[in-house]
Amino acid sequence: NAGVTQTPKFRVLKTGQSMTLLCAQDMNHEYMYWYRQDPGMGLRLIHYSVGEGTTAKGEVPDGYNVSRLKKQNFLLGLESAAPSQTSVYFCASSYGATQYFGPGTRLTVL
Amino acid sequence: GENVEQHPSTLSVQEGDSAVIKCTYSDSASNYFPWYKQELGKRPQLIIDIRSNVGEKKDQRIAVTLNKTAKHFSLHITETQPEDSAVYFCAASKGRADSWGKLQFGAGTQVVVTP
Repeated sequence: NAGVTQTPKFRVLKTGQSMTLLCAQDMNHEYMYWYRQDPGMGLRLIHYSVGEGTTAKGEVPDGYNVSRLKKQNFLLGLESAAPSQTSVYFCASSYGATQYFGPGTRLTVL
Repeated sequence: GENVEQHPSTLSVQEGDSAVIKCTYSDSASNYFPWYKQELGKRPQLIIDIRSNVGEKKDQRIAVTLNKTAKHFSLHITETQPEDSAVYFCAASKGRADSWGKLQFGAGTQVVVTP
């Protein structure tokens, strides 16, 4: 039982490049989330999903898109990366309000 | 929407002393309050949570108290040890552990335990 996993662990992009972050969970959780964590700003919700095929905007959705084609996977896309998107990205999943986090992806945009 | 404020932002304690972190929330409909611990370079992990129908909950050296009237809740760590050094986040939700609700996180408290 791996819990919540994220790929990749690290990534460096140039401004304007695109990429997709993958989150996978094997706990059969209905709900999944993407957060970004910046120094001194805690965890800010980017997008979330309340079930397969559904997505919704969180607190800081601009510049990101998401998809939940399968219940166990939640993808976060950056179409045209900007230096302001340099951050640590955490995925989480839950069956209720208690969320379980993945190990994080450290993204640097040059 | 919900707003959660957390204080202090940093806390230094001597090993063996107690540490207290306080959070306030704005939405009186919130009824579930988890605390997460994040060690350096690691993921946030749930350490304790409390529901609105309970005033206090303990788990070994950690305890959480909730004052619904004042809309604040606190994390207490007794007999602190070096491994308690981490960032601690409080959160609030209208959901419960077994029913969905978005979490609104506080900004975090960096706790440093010095030997």
